[in-house]
Amino acid sequence: AQSVSQHNHHVILSEAASLELGCNYSYGGTVNLFWYVQYPGQHLQLLLKYFSGDPLVKGIKGFEAEFIKSKFSFNLRKPSVQWSDTAEYFCAVTSGYSSASKIIFGSGTRLSIRP
Amino acid sequence: GAGVSQSPRYKVAKRGQDVALRCDPISGHVSLFWYQQALGQGPEFLTYFQNEAQLDKSGLPSDRFFAERPEGSVSTLKIQRTQQEDSAVYLCASSLESTRRKETQYFGPGTRLLVL
Repeated sequence: AQSVSQHNHHVILSEAASLELGCNYSYGGTVNLFWYVQYPGQHLQLLLKYFSGDPLVKGIKGFEAEFIKSKFSFNLRKPSVQWSDTAEYFCAVTSGYSSASKIIFGSGTRLSIRP
Repeated sequence: GAGVSQSPRYKVAKRGQDVALRCDPISGHVSLFWYQQALGQGPEFLTYFQNEAQLDKSGLPSDRFFAERPEGSVSTLKIQRTQQEDSAVYLCASSLESTRRKETQYFGPGTRLLVL
């Protein structure tokens, strides 16, 4: 069965620090990878997605992620975080070629930014 | 344009009560998903509709959970005889269905259910 692991439960950084959130998935076939963000009091929003092509994906608000197939990883990065990046971040995966696939989410990483 | 909307946003139920949660997907979206998000966890899949057809209900935790989408737009998730372990945020998501490209799921704000 597919699964997604996010190793960091809670990350605390100062403003302007660099960010990397780890994500590993287990599935041997074709995967589609996502990072979703949930700001306090708001609904889940898509940060970025990888379907195919260039493994370095750029998303909104300066976030990027790199798909490393050999490591089954899709880590999220941002060179310089802001206080407004405080949120819960979820790595997620769907399988196959259908857009109608259920999403498997990781347990989330809570990011707290000190002003 | 309008996103996915859900109602009510908050629901408090006494144990044993039945509840109904509503989801209005984005207009024109064929696919509709329900997820359950327990406190401190990521969302977990419950069920999936393509138009009015329920194609996957493998994630429904028990036969107390029932979902429908009779006209292929609005969907209702019903929980009968609620129990405390049903307390969670229930998320609805919708997406276009396309054979030409992969589409993204868009999430609603969720309904926070508390069973006392």
